[in-house]
Amino acid sequence: DAKTTQPTSMDCAEGRAANLPCNHSTISGNEYVYWYRQIHSQGPQYIIHGLKNNETNEMASLIITEDRKSSTLILPHATLRDTAVYYCIVRGNSGNTPLVFGKGTRLSVIA
Amino acid sequence: GAVVSQHPSWVICKSGTSVKIECRSLDFQATTMFWYRQFPKQSLMLMATSNEGSKATYEQGVEKDKFLINHASLTLSTLTVTSAHPEDSSFYICSASDYRGRTGYTFGSGTRLTVV
Repeated sequence: DAKTTQPTSMDCAEGRAANLPCNHSTISGNEYVYWYRQIHSQGPQYIIHGLKNNETNEMASLIITEDRKSSTLILPHATLRDTAVYYCIVRGNSGNTPLVFGKGTRLSVIA
Repeated sequence: GAVVSQHPSWVICKSGTSVKIECRSLDFQATTMFWYRQFPKQSLMLMATSNEGSKATYEQGVEKDKFLINHASLTLSTLTVTSAHPEDSSFYICSASDYRGRTGYTFGSGTRLTVV
């Protein structure tokens, strides 16, 4: 699976949009971009995933560049409860291969 | 949505004893389960992959005789830490998948193991 690069940490004011970038320049054509987050001392929570089109669900939006070498997770109105470590993971969508976690981005939402 | 229940949420045990952690898929059949370990301020590290009815596949550096994984049914996998030592103290997390076009893998809430 392709490697991802994320900033170590970010701050965001409560109520503002949080934009979390991820670089995955070695992504291959059949690999998806997944985003998970982990709130302190809990298991990771699925947020969203996509292949090449932008995606939106009730939690977030995922913007993938046309060349698919990077993506941005957008939390439209961040709340204090969104403070967590956010992981961007690239993997193929066939078979039961595991998710491999990098170091992620620690997002702190500030009141 | 899919739910994975992990039990216990925390456990303290004496050095040299064994501890069993359970991971159950409550509303789907988990053909594959994954076990991760997470040390403080670090990311999740994959320990092993288990498919129902077959032996687990362990990642390099993970002792299979120390971390016994059983996946005897489509809804239950167990991780037993045998002869635990203080260096085994960690946060253990399971993940389950039926992966028939679902949106992603579901994780348990984790087990905090402290060996004293």
